[in-house]
Amino acid sequence: RKEVEQDPGPFNVPEGATVAFNCTYSNSASQSFFWYRQDCRKEPKLLMSVYSSGNEDGRFTAQLNRASQYISLLIRDSKLSDSATYLCVVTRGGFKTIFGAGTRLFVKA
Amino acid sequence: DAGVTQSPTHLIKTRGQHVTLRCSPISGHKSVSWYQQVLGQGPQFIFQYYEKEERGRGNFPDRFSARQFPNYSSELNVNALLLGDSALYLCASSRGLAGTTDTQYFGPGTRLTVL
Repeated sequence: RKEVEQDPGPFNVPEGATVAFNCTYSNSASQSFFWYRQDCRKEPKLLMSVYSSGNEDGRFTAQLNRASQYISLLIRDSKLSDSATYLCVVTRGGFKTIFGAGTRLFVKA
Repeated sequence: DAGVTQSPTHLIKTRGQHVTLRCSPISGHKSVSWYQQVLGQGPQFIFQYYEKEERGRGNFPDRFSARQFPNYSSELNVNALLLGDSALYLCASSRGLAGTTDTQYFGPGTRLTVL
């Protein structure tokens, strides 16, 4: 079993839709949590950090449930430009960063 | 400010050869991490260097090695290349240790093809 698992995708949604991505992690010693976005053949870029209290940045909302070892990302009012791969990222031990395999999102006009 | 830079952008090698990839972090960043990303997968952690010392290593064979220089730039070396080493190699820099809340900023990567 992989240490960080994500919905396999791909997700195909129309513009304006709300889409949710889920991620689970297996190591309870995990310390910090992030969502990164990666466009085709480009490098990953930080989308947002994830906190237990939840955090929101415009149309994007991230949640962390430490008890269930679960992280989520909600995108409201999807835009064509949201089409990308979304990577769930977990860090632990002060040095180790573990990426999920990513969930591909296609937003259609 | 310039972002993370990597060189070369593309590289083609044959099995058994050796390769050196280079990374320059963002000015003021002291940590450099290396990742391997094969098609369809997320990046896999290879090494982290902080203040010129190795601070973490992922599950990669000894054919993979790295170092960090006094100016915080870094090299990743891979010996005895295998076909399975074909991947995008990403470098990321951060101010402090990458396994904390510090944001990692990625370079554009080096795409290595082993024939």
